[in-house]
Amino acid sequence: AQSVTQPDIHITVSEGASLELRCNYSYGATPYLFWYVQSPGQGLQLLLKYFSGDTLVQGIKGFEAEFKRSQSSFNLRKPSVHWSDAAEYFCAVGAQGGANNLFFGTGTRLTVIP
Amino acid sequence: KAGVTQTPRYLIKTRGQQVTLSCSPISGHRSVSWYQQTPGQGLQFLFEYFSETQRNKGNFPGRFSGRQFSNSRSEMNVSTLELGDSALYLCASSKRTGGAGETQYFGPGTRLLVL
Repeated sequence: AQSVTQPDIHITVSEGASLELRCNYSYGATPYLFWYVQSPGQGLQLLLKYFSGDTLVQGIKGFEAEFKRSQSSFNLRKPSVHWSDAAEYFCAVGAQGGANNLFFGTGTRLTVIP
Repeated sequence: KAGVTQTPRYLIKTRGQQVTLSCSPISGHRSVSWYQQTPGQGLQFLFEYFSETQRNKGNFPGRFSGRQFSNSRSEMNVSTLELGDSALYLCASSKRTGGAGETQYFGPGTRLLVL
């Protein structure tokens, strides 16, 4: 069965610093991977997704993620964090076999300090 | 294009009552999925509706049910509410064209508080 692990519950970075959020997945075949962001009291906004092809994926708001099959990872990066990036970030893997649902990690809460 | 809308946004109920939440998908999207988000269990898949039929179901008790209408709008119902049902309920829509790994677009959620 698919599963996602986000090892960091909470990360604090200074504004302008670089960011990397970790995500590891468990699935035998090529996974469909997503990163979503959730601001307090809001729904989930899609940042980027990986289905196949180029392993470096560009998303919105200056985010990118790299799929590494050998490490079963899909880490999210941003070169320079802005205060508005403070939110909770969720990595997810798509179900296979005709199902349409997502399996989410537990999330990483990002705090940005000025 | 309008996004996924959910009503109501906030709801307070008491134990034993039932509740109905509504979700309108993005225009042209035929699949609606529901998720429950709690601090303890995180984001968990409830069920998916496509073409007015439940296509997939998560591991939730039968008190949780849903339906989808011909215009793709969906409702979910929780009967005999328990304190543990307090959560943010998120609805997501997708086109469901048959391809794998379709993107799901989420609504703002309905926050349910059970007292």
